[in-house]
Amino acid sequence: GDSVTQMEGPVTLSEEAFLTINCTYTATGYPSLFWYVQYPGEGLQLLLKATKADDKGSNKGFEATYRKETTSFHLEKGSVQVSDSAVYFCALSKTQGGSEKLVFGKGTKLTVNP
Amino acid sequence: ETGVTQSPTHLIKTRGQQVTLRCSSQSGHNTVSWYQQALGQGPQFIFQYYREEENGRGNFPPRFSGLQFPNYSSELNVNALELDDSALYLCASSLEGLGTGSSPLHFGNGTRLTVT
Repeated sequence: GDSVTQMEGPVTLSEEAFLTINCTYTATGYPSLFWYVQYPGEGLQLLLKATKADDKGSNKGFEATYRKETTSFHLEKGSVQVSDSAVYFCALSKTQGGSEKLVFGKGTKLTVNP
Repeated sequence: ETGVTQSPTHLIKTRGQQVTLRCSSQSGHNTVSWYQQALGQGPQFIFQYYREEENGRGNFPPRFSGLQFPNYSSELNVNALELDDSALYLCASSLEGLGTGSSPLHFGNGTRLTVT
């Protein structure tokens, strides 16, 4: 079945460091891909998305490119801030019957130290 | 614009009991999905409701059931609670319903259920 694999955390970086969180997927067809972020005690917020191959999603300095040939959607940010500390989830969308659902990876916890 | 709100925020139940969790969808959204997030895991799809009908279900047993009301709010009911049901339950709403693609999900902050 469809699945998402993320690099295991936790990831600890210093402020202004470069961030990469790897994400690969297995899916039939051409799913949309997403990154969600979860801050402590909160629900998930959509960070960015891409709906077709070679699309780049970007938001708040984060970027990810939909790579069909490598089935990947790695998250990057050039210079992280303490406020970026959170858990990041990669996800794909799957339409099954009449509904659309998200299939999530296990999440990667990021801690940014000042 | 009011976001997705869930109640209660925390709940403690005993094994074998029943629980009802509630969700108010974002204004104008007619689709509600429920996800279970176990500790240290990604959310898993339970089911989705569109215009008061269940229109998709994940790999969860029948003791997980739901409702959607005319105002598009929703309930998740779990019968015969088991210890493994302890998790964060997330509700998400969206504008579109039947497999129409890229309408983003808006998540609530979740209900933390602990089963002892």
